[in-house]
Amino acid sequence: NAGVTQTPKFQVLKTGQSMTLQCAQDMNHNSMYWYRQDPGMGLRLIYYSASEGTTDKGEVPNGYNVSRLNKREFSLRLESAAPSQTSVYFCASSERWDSGELFFGEGSRLTVL
Amino acid sequence: AQTVTQSQPEMSVQEAETVTLSCTYDTSENNYYLFWYKQPPSRQMILVIRQEAYKQQNATENRFSVNFQKAAKSFSLKISDSQLGDTAMYFCAFMKLMNYGGSQGNLIFGKGTKLSVKP
Repeated sequence: NAGVTQTPKFQVLKTGQSMTLQCAQDMNHNSMYWYRQDPGMGLRLIYYSASEGTTDKGEVPNGYNVSRLNKREFSLRLESAAPSQTSVYFCASSERWDSGELFFGEGSRLTVL
Repeated sequence: AQTVTQSQPEMSVQEAETVTLSCTYDTSENNYYLFWYKQPPSRQMILVIRQEAYKQQNATENRFSVNFQKAAKSFSLKISDSQLGDTAMYFCAFMKLMNYGGSQGNLIFGKGTKLSVKP
């Protein structure tokens, strides 16, 4: 049971570099999400995709872009990384966009120098 | 805007004992869900329990139960017969119920409580 798979698990970037975090789920879920988790804070929603073909901004979308490639895959792109984007990123999926019952990946730890 | 407050950054409990984690939230909404999520060390976050605000009965899942006090906007998690595997960060979360297509279905998370279960 793979569930939600994120790659890479660790990445170090220099300021201004770009990168894409990949996420795939094998549960046939309709909705997918990207969160970031910073020390001493709860998770904050960056972007979400309620269903295939749609994406919407969450609480902290600035500096990020997303692509819902198909029903399984949802990528997060940092076009020009900044130190403020140093964080742990979590991808999640749910059967329904409004259920609140999310299945999370293991996280991707990103450091921007 | 909704906020979720977990006032206990860290807690510890002896194995087999009972522990209660606190959560309060602020909202003017009447229809919403509340959740507890568990994040074990270096492992994926998983859903522990869900409570619908319109239900008066407190949700239970095996050793996990909640005390939902809607008027007080309080949502505590009780873990009975604590086990070493319960060691984790626990996050309380709130989600407003909205009409289809009208909102994000966004979960608002608290900052978490780090629970250590000691042998």
